[in-house]
Amino acid sequence: QKEVEQNSGPLSVPEGAIASLNCTYSDRGSQSFFWYRQYSGKSPELIMFIYSNGDKEDGRFTAQLNKASQYVSLLIRDSQPSDSATYLCAVTTSGTYKYIFGTGTRLKVLA
Amino acid sequence: GAVVSQHPSWVICKSGTSVKIECRSLDFQATTMFWYRQFPKQSLMLMATSNEGSKATYEQGVEKDKFLINHASLTLSTLTVTSAHPEDSSFYICSALSSSLGLNTGELFFGEGSRLTVL
Repeated sequence: QKEVEQNSGPLSVPEGAIASLNCTYSDRGSQSFFWYRQYSGKSPELIMFIYSNGDKEDGRFTAQLNKASQYVSLLIRDSQPSDSATYLCAVTTSGTYKYIFGTGTRLKVLA
Repeated sequence: GAVVSQHPSWVICKSGTSVKIECRSLDFQATTMFWYRQFPKQSLMLMATSNEGSKATYEQGVEKDKFLINHASLTLSTLTVTSAHPEDSSFYICSALSSSLGLNTGELFFGEGSRLTVL
């Protein structure tokens, strides 16, 4: 059973702080890793994707991938109340576009 | 950008009736579409993969006769929940994989979701 694990939270951080979200996956054949943000009652929207080990930065967001340890993380710098949402980690395996989603981590940024 | 439109955004129906949900890719051709279901405070669960012009591939545990999927064109896939029951109440989300946009990244483009409530 291929699994993607996330801490459900809620993770509460003060405004302006760094929020760190973690995700582990069980399938070593996983190739692509995605972070989606989902507001309550809405569909997910893509924040970032990462394929290679290391860090990838996009604005206030940094994705980190460590394939040896099978984890991927998302850092949000200068967190804003509007960042409050559920963050979903998703993983795909080589040769397929079937996403396996984690259960999501609920982030609360306190003003 | 790639836009996927889903309709209706919410629907309430009586037990035993059938409900059709449409998913359209507005500005690109979607060779593959995926249908997900999400219960409250749970993650997205893949129900089925549909490819234009062929039968959908259902995930284990998903009844193909209950959840009818049709992908008749490169821009439209439909999900019909037949003989709906209260336990079918959920948030249904479609996503599309473009034949040109995003194919190299594996990015999926999600519809807005359809909230089904079966009374």
